[in-house]
Parts: sequence; C-alpha cells; structure tokens
Amino acid sequence: AQSVTQLDSQVPVFEEAPVELRCNYSSSVSVYLFWYVQYPNQGLQLLLKYLSGSTLVKGINGFEAEFNKSQTSFHLRKPSVHISDTAEYFCAVSPPQTGKLIFGQGTTLQVKP
Amino acid sequence: DAGVIQSPRHEVTEMGQEVTLRCKPISGHNSLFWYRQTMMRGLELLIYFNNNVPIDDSGMPEDRFSAKMPNASFSTLKIQPSEPRDSAVYFCASTPRIGAGDYGYTFGSGTRLTVV
Repeated sequence: AQSVTQLDSQVPVFEEAPVELRCNYSSSVSVYLFWYVQYPNQGLQLLLKYLSGSTLVKGINGFEAEFNKSQTSFHLRKPSVHISDTAEYFCAVSPPQTGKLIFGQGTTLQVKP
Repeated sequence: DAGVIQSPRHEVTEMGQEVTLRCKPISGHNSLFWYRQTMMRGLELLIYFNNNVPIDDSGMPEDRFSAKMPNASFSTLKIQPSEPRDSAVYFCASTPRIGAGDYGYTFGSGTRLTVV
C-alpha cells in the first residue's frame, strides 16, 4: 500500500519570500509523484509531476520539486511567492500499475502582504 | 476541450433523499475516478473505471453509494438514502488510460453536496 504525508498543515509566508512545502511518501513499489494546487472553491490543478529521469522537476507558476528516493520525499519549492499563490497544495503518488492517485492531507499556503 | 464537467455544482438535499451526481470526462479519456473531499478525511478515492468497467470500488463507504459508467462520456455517483455525514465535495477526474502518469489526471470543478 502507498501513503503520503504532508508534514505541514499550514505554511504562512510573506510575499516575495521563498517557500518549501514538504511531502514524504511510503511505497513498496515505484510510483509517479505529483503536486496539485486547489484554489478556493475550485477543482485540483496539476502543478508538476515526476515520472522518471531528472530528480528536479519544474512546473507551472514558478514551482519546482525535487525527488529524493533515499529520503522518499518530494518537496515543493518556490523562490519567491505571490499573494495569488495562496491556496491548498496536495502531494500525491500513483503506482503505475493501478492508476490510483493517492493524496496527502494537503498544506494550506497563506501568503501575507 | 471543455475539461471534465460535473453537475450540479451545488446540491442541497434532505436526509433520506436520493442524490445523483454527474460527470462527463474529457473526450478520449478511458479512465474515470470519483473522489470525495472532506475536512476530516481529505481526498478519498471512492471508485474508478477503465473503459467503462469498474476496476476498484473499495473506497465506496457503504452500500448506499453506487456508481455507474454506461458509456465513455458519462458517469454517475448515486447516494440513496443520503445522510448528513455524506456532506462533502465530490470530484470527478479523468485520464487517458490507467497508469497514464505522463498525462496526469484532469479534475472537474466538483459538486458540493450538503445533506440537511
């Protein structure tokens, strides 16, 4: 079975500061890794994904994430956040064989002016 | 493409009533997923289909919940009878095929269900 742990439920940060949202996962098989963003009252939008290859993955809106196999982590980073980045962020894993997408509990990013 | 379309966006119903949520996946996507989102439990996978066939319904909470996919362009999630604890946001997602991590999963805007 797979599980995802997002280590912070809320992350407050000031505008233009850097941010890191942490994600650890557990799986006995190789998995694909994803970050999704959910703005208030909206569905989930794909930020980025890791399938294989380079461990540093770049996504939309200036976000990037680094896959660390030994640490079983997939932390999301942005060097300078904007007010508009305020949202809920979800880390997810998917075993290729099953196609299931298993989510963490989410991290609320609160960007303050 | 209009994306994954869910209806209704909001549904308020009385306890004991039947509720039907609808989803139209992206054309050409062969896999469809139903998720439920609550504050307490986060995002839970309820059921998913591949080529209109249910593959895994182990996440369906109880027999009051049922899902169908009569064709490639339409799926329903039915709750009968509904209970207040079913109140949640229900999301539908689709992807070209099972294991298509390279394509990602496209989510609809969700249906916010309130059972009073």
